[in-house]
Amino acid sequence: GENVEQHPSTLSVQEGDSAVIKCTYSDSASNYFPWYKQELGKRPQLIIDIRSNVGEKKDQRIAVTLNKTAKHFSLHITETQPEDSAVYFCAAGVNYGGSQGNLIFGKGTKLSVKP
Amino acid sequence: GAVVSQHPSWVICKSGTSVKIECRSLDFQATTMFWYRQFPKQSLMLMATSNEGSKATYEQGVEKDKFLINHASLTLSTLTVTSAHPEDSSFYICSGTGATSGSLNEQYFGPGTRLTVT
Repeated sequence: GENVEQHPSTLSVQEGDSAVIKCTYSDSASNYFPWYKQELGKRPQLIIDIRSNVGEKKDQRIAVTLNKTAKHFSLHITETQPEDSAVYFCAAGVNYGGSQGNLIFGKGTKLSVKP
Repeated sequence: GAVVSQHPSWVICKSGTSVKIECRSLDFQATTMFWYRQFPKQSLMLMATSNEGSKATYEQGVEKDKFLINHASLTLSTLTVTSAHPEDSSFYICSGTGATSGSLNEQYFGPGTRLTVT
């Protein structure tokens, strides 16, 4: 089955700096890679996702890159702000066109942005 | 985006009793619902996948007789923790996905249910 590794487990940056979180996956059949932000005690919120037919996607300060050959994908947050502080999870799964299969989550990265 | 609700948001029960958690998709038909468990400072661990009208598929290590999942309609799935024990105390989160959710890819998460077994 799918196995997702996520690094680092904790990341501390100064406000305004960039933050990068990396994930690797094992199942070459995975074609959908979402990133979630979870604040303490709350539900995970999708912040960006990418499909396997795309190498990069950007949404304002957030970008995700995907290297299918190496089976790794990364989250990039630029100009970090204190409100970016949270736990971030990557995930990998298979999208069958009209339906979503299982998502396997990485172990999470606790991001702290210091003002 | 699509909305998923969970009830209750938190529950405290005594060891040996059963607890039912409801997960509802409010504005879309969730053909598939997923149940996750999250222990403090850990990731979301998939427990089972349920398709409407079918038996749930459980992940390895999850006892299907202990965690009963029912997905009888396109808007409701329930998780019943039977004979709960303190080690079952956790944050249980459901998610739903379906062709009518506005996105073919995204899983929409409920707000979670914090279960404490005393």
